[in-house]
Amino acid sequence: DSGVTQTPKHLITATGQRVTLRCSPRSGDLSVYWYQQSLDQGLQFLIQYYNGEERAKGNILERFSAQQFPDLHSELNLSSLELGDSALYFCASTRGGLYNEQFFGPGTRLTVL
Amino acid sequence: QKEVEQDPGPLSVPEGAIVSLNCTYSNSAFQYFMWYRQYSRKGPELLMYTYSSGNKEDGRFTAQVDKSSKYISLFIRDSQPSDSATYLCAMESGTSYGKLTFGQGTILTVHP
Repeated sequence: DSGVTQTPKHLITATGQRVTLRCSPRSGDLSVYWYQQSLDQGLQFLIQYYNGEERAKGNILERFSAQQFPDLHSELNLSSLELGDSALYFCASTRGGLYNEQFFGPGTRLTVL
Repeated sequence: QKEVEQDPGPLSVPEGAIVSLNCTYSNSAFQYFMWYRQYSRKGPELLMYTYSSGNKEDGRFTAQVDKSSKYISLFIRDSQPSDSATYLCAMESGTSYGKLTFGQGTILTVHP
């Protein structure tokens, strides 16, 4: 157990809908990262927050947004969902803002029908 | 062309074999090199990380980085059925706030 928690574990929804994925980092970790894992693209970095501020952005779609709250938990919002958004979404956390060992959560499996 | 290339396998070996997993990369800015293990339906788990070139050993695992060739390897000695998983290499420049770039992953099966 990495100490990173993610909810829900599974999410099934329809195209055009909006969902929110939640992540709680390890105790004391200030940075949260979001990744998307699909069969064709592999594991891809989406976005990083450090102590409530956005620090780095990857190829995150405009339909996707994230935030980190004062208690350091983070949420990833996915809207206008398409079939191609079906994937595993992982959250990872680290102590600092630059590179540190990243601890991954168990992931949320999103299925868009 | 992807920044990090990794042979997806699958790789199947008998128990006790030495396993060699490899990645090549094109971005010379990468400074940190990691190997993650991912069991089915689980999150990636960090196995090894190295900074710059060189070797690092941890139990049955050895990581090697050759920056001149842009090539990294993970060796698993005395492989066990419990090593059956997907192995992902990952890299980071040290200036991108921890943004990891992953290889596609190699599926490894160790059969008894």
